[in-house]
Amino acid sequence: AQSVTQLDSQVPVFEEAPVELRCNYSSSVSVYLFWYVQYPNQGLQLLLKYLSGSTLVKGINGFEAEFNKSQTSFHLRKPSVHISDTAEYFCAVRAMDSSYKLIFGSGTRLLVRP
Amino acid sequence: DAGVTQSPTHLIKTRGQHVTLRCSPISGHKSVSWYQQVLGQGPQFIFQYYEKEERGRGNFPDRFSARQFPNYSSELNVNALLLGDSALYLCASSLAGARGTGELFFGEGSRLTVL
Repeated sequence: AQSVTQLDSQVPVFEEAPVELRCNYSSSVSVYLFWYVQYPNQGLQLLLKYLSGSTLVKGINGFEAEFNKSQTSFHLRKPSVHISDTAEYFCAVRAMDSSYKLIFGSGTRLLVRP
Repeated sequence: DAGVTQSPTHLIKTRGQHVTLRCSPISGHKSVSWYQQVLGQGPQFIFQYYEKEERGRGNFPDRFSARQFPNYSSELNVNALLLGDSALYLCASSLAGARGTGELFFGEGSRLTVL
């Protein structure tokens, strides 16, 4: 079984400041890792994914994430945030040997202030 | 190309009633998954269907059921609604049904309120 922990329920940050959203996971099998963003009253949009290869993954909107197998972490970063980045961010895992079932964390609300 | 479409977008029901939610996947996608997102929480997996067969089921009671049609669209049915069923129900489609590195594409959801 897999589980995902997002320790920060809300992260306030000023515009143009850097941000890191933390994600830790637990799994007995190898997993794929994902970050999704959800804007108010909308569905989920994929930001980036780690499947294999380089542990630094670049996604859309200037976001990147680093896979750390020893620490079972997949933290999301952006060097300079914009007001428009205000949204809910979800980390998710999927076991490599199973169906397309995603296990999501509880989410982190990024609040960007002017 | 149209993305994943869901209907209705919003609906209100009372306890004990039944609800049917509908989903049309992206053209060419053969797999549909359903997720429940309670306010303030991450989505939870309910079902996955691939080629009209159930390929996975989450930890939900038998009041929840689903099916996939020959055109790959899908319905989620919930019987005997409880207040706790109030949530955003998300549908996602993918090309394949298992393994692989493919992506799930989500619709905007159907927001169910049970009074």
